[in-house]
Amino acid sequence: NAGVTQTPKFQVLKTGQSMTLQCAQDMNHEYMSWYRQDPGMGLRLIHYSVGAGITDQGEVPNGYNVSRSTTEDFPLRLLSAAPSQTSVYFCASSYSRRGANYGYTFGSGTRLTVV
Amino acid sequence: DAKTTQPPSMDCAEGRAANLPCNHSTISGNEYVYWYRQIHSQGPQYIIHGLKNNETNEMASLIITEDRKSSTLILPHATLRDTAVYYCIVRRSSGSARQLTFGSGTQLTVLP
Repeated sequence: NAGVTQTPKFQVLKTGQSMTLQCAQDMNHEYMSWYRQDPGMGLRLIHYSVGAGITDQGEVPNGYNVSRSTTEDFPLRLLSAAPSQTSVYFCASSYSRRGANYGYTFGSGTRLTVV
Repeated sequence: DAKTTQPPSMDCAEGRAANLPCNHSTISGNEYVYWYRQIHSQGPQYIIHGLKNNETNEMASLIITEDRKSSTLILPHATLRDTAVYYCIVRRSSGSARQLTFGSGTQLTVLP
């Protein structure tokens, strides 16, 4: 199992450019999330999905779009990059069975710089 | 989800037990206590979770007080590789409440 795979690992964008951060998991987890982490701060939830075809907004959704067409993939799209979106982005997945909770598995992150 | 309070930093000598406290005085009956850690520049790593009973796995032990208003994560024999930010998170089990709300955590430094 590869776990949660994020690509790219590093990216530099110019203000106004768009791009998609990729996230894939091979564990058949129904829950997937995107977080951002600014320097010296904790993680903040951007968007999440509780299953294919279902997405919802988290704490800081503005400027980002997501879709969940398959269980495995949960891409995050930046529509028009801004310097305030310079951050490290983490994707995570999880599952539950018969009400039992299981911990999230996180990817290794995408370090994005917007200039 | 209930709010948690953790000390901003702690030191521990290598080989000794590291005891990381977390206060969650407003926890509800259906909320679990989760612990994650984040080693510098890496994605957070799940450690352990519990509802009301003490839990132990290969990484750590979780002690939850009887009134569930506080808990302690115990790393029995801390190593230099355990230096990380440790997050205590309280949340329910279902639907949108399954998302994680991270606070500022405790920076644990294991000293040689």
